[in-house]
Amino acid sequence: NAGVTQTPKFQVLKTGQSMTLQCAQDMNHEYMSWYRQDPGMGLRLIHYSVGAGITDQGEVPNGYNVSRSTTEDFPLRLLSAAPSQTSVYFCASSYGQVREQFFGPGTRLTVL
Amino acid sequence: DQQVKQNSPSLSVQEGRISILNCDYTNSMFDYFLWYKKYPAEGPTFLISISSIKDKNEDGRFTVFLNKSAKHLSLHIVPSQPGDSAVYFCAAREAGGTSYGKLTFGQGTILTVHP
Repeated sequence: NAGVTQTPKFQVLKTGQSMTLQCAQDMNHEYMSWYRQDPGMGLRLIHYSVGAGITDQGEVPNGYNVSRSTTEDFPLRLLSAAPSQTSVYFCASSYGQVREQFFGPGTRLTVL
Repeated sequence: DQQVKQNSPSLSVQEGRISILNCDYTNSMFDYFLWYKKYPAEGPTFLISISSIKDKNEDGRFTVFLNKSAKHLSLHIVPSQPGDSAVYFCAAREAGGTSYGKLTFGQGTILTVHP
């Protein structure tokens, strides 16, 4: 099992550009989520999904879009990148009633 | 409005001694609490958890204590080892409903264990 994988590891964008952060898991987990980590702020939930075709907003959803067409994949789209979106992004997944979420290695994004 | 707070940004301890990391929360609807450890350039990894119906959970060198009346939990590491040096995040889950599965994280505490 590869667990939770994220691509790319690093990305630099210019203000206004769009891009998609990829997340995939091979554990057949129903629940997937995206977090961003900023200094002094911990991890904040952006969007989450409780299963294919179902997504919902977390704490900081503005400027981001998600979709869940398959159980395995949960991409995060930045519609028009802003410097405030400079952060480290983590994808996580968990199965049903299991509380522990498994995290990917993260994507470090810089928006100039 | 920070519902989960880790008020100590950093903690430094000597190898072999006890490390105590603290976490406070404000939301009475939290029913499950977790600790995650994070090394640089890696994702957080699950360490230990506790349900709100318990006041202690132990796993090897790691013990988590929950004081519901004070809305406080702590992670004890005994004995501390240099490999324990990492950022530790406290997280909490709200019971049921549309919040199922959503975790609220604290800011993290950087633990440094000196040889």
